Amino acid sequence: AQKITQTQPGMFVQEKEAVTLDCTYDTSDPSYGLFWYKQPSSGEMIFLIYQGSYDQQNATEGRYSLNFQKARKSANLVISASQLGDSAMYFCAMRRRERDDKIIFGKGTRLHILP
Amino acid sequence: DAGITQSPRHKVTETGTPVTLRCHQTENHRYMYWYRQDPGHGLRLIHYSYGVKDTDKGEVSDGYSVSRSKTEDFLLTLESATSSQTSVYFCAISDRGAAPNSPLHFGNGTRLTVT
Repeated sequence: AQKITQTQPGMFVQEKEAVTLDCTYDTSDPSYGLFWYKQPSSGEMIFLIYQGSYDQQNATEGRYSLNFQKARKSANLVISASQLGDSAMYFCAMRRRERDDKIIFGKGTRLHILP
Repeated sequence: DAGITQSPRHKVTETGTPVTLRCHQTENHRYMYWYRQDPGHGLRLIHYSYGVKDTDKGEVSDGYSVSRSKTEDFLLTLESATSSQTSVYFCAISDRGAAPNSPLHFGNGTRLTVT
């Protein structure tokens, strides 16, 4: 069975520092996609970044990058130069290429950026 | 803006009453999903749909049913609400079908309280 694990329930980081949010996954499917979402206190779910299992390079989107280590089954989100507006809940998610299209989420990490 | 509207945004209901939540999309996408979000559990998939009248169960489907009679609408019904179904419910759509690189786009959520 596929599984997503986020081991950090909460993190406190000083503004302008880089942040790494951990995500490990478990699947036997060779083709899959990994996603990160941000949920600010207002409650909406915001898609941040995607990494495909066959992608050779780590994904980047502005200040967000994904540290993808396939052999270790990890897909950590890195936020460079953190800002107060980065304070939010962050979720890692996985999707497989098959008809049984059950996209699963981790339990999330609450990030607090300190001024 | 992914063109997803959830209604109602908030609802309080009594144990044992039926409740229907509506998700409406303007994007004409095939895939639609219902998740519930609870503290400590992240997002858990309730049901999903891959086309009109085509639905399947997620990991927490007990006590819930869904219907999809039109591409744009996906209804979630709690036949007899229980206090354990107090939660925030999110609808999501997938803009590239079941492809692994297709992110979910979420509605703003429905906060349901069962008293």
